[in-house]
Amino acid sequence: GAGVSQSPRYKVAKRGQDVALRCDPISGHVSLFWYQQALGQGPEFLTYFQNEAQLDKSGLPSDRFFAERPEGSVSTLKIQRTQQEDSAVYLCASSLGQGATWHDEQYFGPGTRLTVT
Amino acid sequence: AQSVTQPDIHITVSEGASLELRCNYSYGATPYLFWYVQSPGQGLQLLLKYFSGDTLVQGIKGFEAEFKRSQSSFNLRKPSVHWSDAAEYFCAVGARTGANNLFFGTGTRLTVIP
Repeated sequence: GAGVSQSPRYKVAKRGQDVALRCDPISGHVSLFWYQQALGQGPEFLTYFQNEAQLDKSGLPSDRFFAERPEGSVSTLKIQRTQQEDSAVYLCASSLGQGATWHDEQYFGPGTRLTVT
Repeated sequence: AQSVTQPDIHITVSEGASLELRCNYSYGATPYLFWYVQSPGQGLQLLLKYFSGDTLVQGIKGFEAEFKRSQSSFNLRKPSVHWSDAAEYFCAVGARTGANNLFFGTGTRLTVIP
């Protein structure tokens, strides 16, 4: 069956440009997470959606980062005025449940590698 | 605050040899613990998880991990490594409140030599 997909897989942006990264979760999954993985590091939490509601955005590093999930399925992570320190792999994950239980596995997409030059 | 330490950045083992990857965590309550594997160009795949109960957890691909509360550890083991196990391995702690997001260690890269 289809897993979590992300597009584009690779994105090169010039410093100052805006970028939009897309995540298609597994159909029917209520919860959606965004993580940022810098080179040589583990993923770090950015934000969490339950359906269309953004319930936690405590990990977003600055107000240049914005995420949405308007219809409770596809999500977009937008980065405005990109900086070199934004270069990383951005991972999306989805899970079936409503965030109240750890028995729902998080399924990860392949990520989008963003390089800011 | 939650944190995860993976002390070994890179480990090299021979095919057929046993493997142990170390993970230490810091968390103020009973932790939910996970091991993920990441192959190049692939998403993270869950190997196993610990919630409660039996402290020895079996996972996919022949992996197991043991939760030791006294040592705050959750080490991953495999008795005989295959060349296809070469990948990056991440230990993670699950937050019990809020978003239930994961806190990851920095990973251990495993190289398998023939």
